[in-house]
Amino acid sequence: KQEVTQIPAALSVPEGENLVLNCSFTDSAIYNLQWFRQDPGKGLTSLLLIQSSQREQTSGRLNASLDKSSGRSTLYIAASQPGDSATYLCAVRPTFSGGYNKLIFGAGTRLAVHP
Amino acid sequence: DAGITQSPRHKVTETGTPVTLRCHQTENHRYMYWYRQDPGHGLRLIHYSYGVKDTDKGEVSDGYSVSRSKTEDFLLTLESATSSQTSVYFCAISESVRENTGELFFGEGSRLTVL
Repeated sequence: KQEVTQIPAALSVPEGENLVLNCSFTDSAIYNLQWFRQDPGKGLTSLLLIQSSQREQTSGRLNASLDKSSGRSTLYIAASQPGDSATYLCAVRPTFSGGYNKLIFGAGTRLAVHP
Repeated sequence: DAGITQSPRHKVTETGTPVTLRCHQTENHRYMYWYRQDPGHGLRLIHYSYGVKDTDKGEVSDGYSVSRSKTEDFLLTLESATSSQTSVYFCAISESVRENTGELFFGEGSRLTVL
């Protein structure tokens, strides 16, 4: 059974720091991995989607890497800002999902960036 | 932002009562999903739809039913609500399920409390 784990569960950093959020999954048979951001009381916003054949994706200050063979992904946030404070979730789309987007989510990392 | 509206956004009900949550989209996307989010569990898939009148079960479907009579609407029904169904419910849509895309877009959630 596919399981997704995110470490740490919570993180507090001063503004300006570069930081890394970790995601691990138990089964490497995935189509893709997606990173989401969730603000309190809000829905999820997709940040980056990495296909199984890719090693990384970048969007602005965000960089996500994928090592499918070891079951790991990292989300790197450069020069963190207070506006980055949110919960970050990773999710994998297993190949057993067939043709559908039946994602398996981690529990998330709650990030607080203080001025 | 993807045009996804969930209603109601907040609901308090009593054990044993029926509850229906509605998801309405204006994107004309074919695929729609219902997830629930609970502390420590991340998001888990309840049911999904791959077209009008075409639905299937997800990971945690017991106690829930769904219907999709129009492309734009996906209803989630709790026939007889229980306290274990207290949760935040998210609707999501995707245009395709191709491996390199199939990005999911989420609504803002419906918070349900069952007393």
